[in-house]
Parts: sequence; structure tokens; C-alpha cells
Amino acid sequence: DIQMTQSPSSLSASVGDRVTITCRASQSISTYLHWYQQIPGKAPKLLIYSASSLQSGVPSIFSGSGSGTDFTLTISSLRPEDFATYYCQQTYYIPYTFGQGTKLEIK
Amino acid sequence: EVQLLESGGALVQPGGSLRLSCAASGFTFTNYAMTWVRQAPGKGLELVSGISGSGASTYHADSVKGRFTISRDISNNTLYLQMDSLRAEDTAVYYCAKSRGLYYYFALDVWGQGTTVTVSS
Repeated sequence: DIQMTQSPSSLSASVGDRVTITCRASQSISTYLHWYQQIPGKAPKLLIYSASSLQSGVPSIFSGSGSGTDFTLTISSLRPEDFATYYCQQTYYIPYTFGQGTKLEIK
Repeated sequence: EVQLLESGGALVQPGGSLRLSCAASGFTFTNYAMTWVRQAPGKGLELVSGISGSGASTYHADSVKGRFTISRDISNNTLYLQMDSLRAEDTAVYYCAKSRGLYYYFALDVWGQGTTVTVSS
């Protein structure tokens, strides 16, 4: 199975900060990499698909990049509602695996 | 508005069965693959089952293969997950999620609110 490793596992930041979350795949997955946000008690929400495409309705403060094995999710200026857990997912190899999540907390 | 509404979660004994349903609305059901994703308490996400838009192709994670069956009824735009031989480790919130395309290798762009399955004696 493809292992998806996110770093860091948790992160403290302040409103207005720029943050970057990294996702590394154990094998090349081209750009079959997607990012989701999950607020506690809620369903996940798609932010970025195919590594760098912004999902409709998602604010442009979110951006994604990468291909092959290394990917990043960047939030350019944190808002209070962005404090959540973020997951990456690969859909290149079955089983389609998620990263372990990165919990973004308010400093 | 695109909506997914799950139902069927319950408390069930080990070895028991349960059928989850997901009512879809606001989009052409047969144009998109559908999946079930679960999240055990305090844990991450696991894609357990997927079905293509046509229903001809299905996927089940090794952890549920032979015990769970995904299906879809296009007459009433409903996705199902038949869960048999349930184990304690199947305890989770189960989300129904829509793929962005015909197959389940696309990203999941619409999610239901989740339904809770608890396997315990």
C-alpha cells in the first residue's frame, strides 16, 4: 500500500499567519493527490484536487502544489475558521489512502 | 443543491449485520462514482468501498473485503453499504461521498453528514 505521511502532525499558528503542510507519498503518484479540511464533528470538505486545482467555492487563500512524491498545502493568511484538521489523499494506487492528518491549532 | 443523506447507523452486536443507505439529490446519480469513507473514534479517514457511475466496477478495502458490499439503486438515487460479520474495529462514523467523476479515483467533492455504527456486545 502507498503510505502517505503528513508533516507536521500538529501545528500551532496565529490568525494571519502563512502555513504550509507537507504530504509525502511512499511512491510516485503523479498528481493524484487531494486535500481535505475537517472541522471537529463535521464531514471532511474538499479543498484542492489533483494536487493544485482549487475546488469551487474554496477561498483562494488555499493553494496546493507538487507532483510525484512531495506535495504541499499552503494557507496564505489564516482565518479563525481555518483551524481544523487537514488530510491528504492519494488516488493513484488502490487502496486509495489518506495521510494521518495535520491538526492546525490556534496559538 | 447537491445533497447526500446517510441513514442506517446503529448499535449492533459483533457478528451482526447492518445496511447503510445514502440518498442522493441534486445531481445525475449515474454520472458519478460514489464511495463510503469511515472514521473510527479519534482516528483518521479510511476509504472502505467505492462504486463506479455505471455500477459495473466496485472496490472494497482489504479490511472489509468479503464482509461489506457496496451497491447503488439508480431508480431511487440511493447508495447502499451492506455490512455483514461486523467486528468491534468496524465501529466508526461512516460517510457517503461523491466522486468528481465516473470512477472513484477522482477526489470526493460532496460528503454526507455521516452515520454512526457501533459494534459492541
